Amino acid sequence: QSALTQPASVSGSPGQSITISCTGTSSDVGGYNYVSWYQQHPGKAPKLMIYEVSNRPSGVSNRFSGSKSGNTASLTISGLQAEDEADYYCSSYTSSSTPHVFGTGTKVTVL
Amino acid sequence: EVQLVESGGGLVQPGGSLRLSCAASGFTFSSYWMSWVRQAPGKGLEWVANIKQDGSEKYYVDSVKGRFTISRDNAKNSLYLQMNSLRAEDTAVYYCARDPDPYSSSWSLFYWGQGTLVTVSS
Repeated sequence: QSALTQPASVSGSPGQSITISCTGTSSDVGGYNYVSWYQQHPGKAPKLMIYEVSNRPSGVSNRFSGSKSGNTASLTISGLQAEDEADYYCSSYTSSSTPHVFGTGTKVTVL
Repeated sequence: EVQLVESGGGLVQPGGSLRLSCAASGFTFSSYWMSWVRQAPGKGLEWVANIKQDGSEKYYVDSVKGRFTISRDNAKNSLYLQMNSLRAEDTAVYYCARDPDPYSSSWSLFYWGQGTLVTVSS
């Protein structure tokens, strides 16, 4: 099972909106609503930002939103802030022999 | 407050074994799926394994099948990862993590420990 494909980097200015894509197949992203997104700051454990495609856990800012179309899921960060600068990973359930796979990761830079 | 505290990491030679532990507190451990996730130095996240509340279902990433075993002791609120036949490519920080909601798995990980470093080298 290959990792889900994410852009290596995305950048934006404070206040702007950015979108990170996560491309898989019909065996993972496209076939199930078990897509999650994580934020990871250097040296820290990951933090769940979105689960089941578009659900936000309690305590996560509503500036973060998730969606899915076909085999591609997306994380949108609106009103970009300096604290949003981090690595972001998507993940999905898969019907392959490895049932859970992460994306390749995206480094978000706030200009 | 939910807490997950990993231990047991360290330096081990190729072919060796190590047992990681994760002590859970602040929630009803026996109600949640639990997982191990690892991250090699400077690399991305890799899901390793998970286990159902009662231990009746276990799943693994292909690269560790037959070498790693996930287990839990609900009486001790503890999660384990027995790692045998370790390879250099198993070098990583290993995180213990918990699902957001009890009883079912959404294949997402809400609470994470701080991680424990496993280094496989001669």
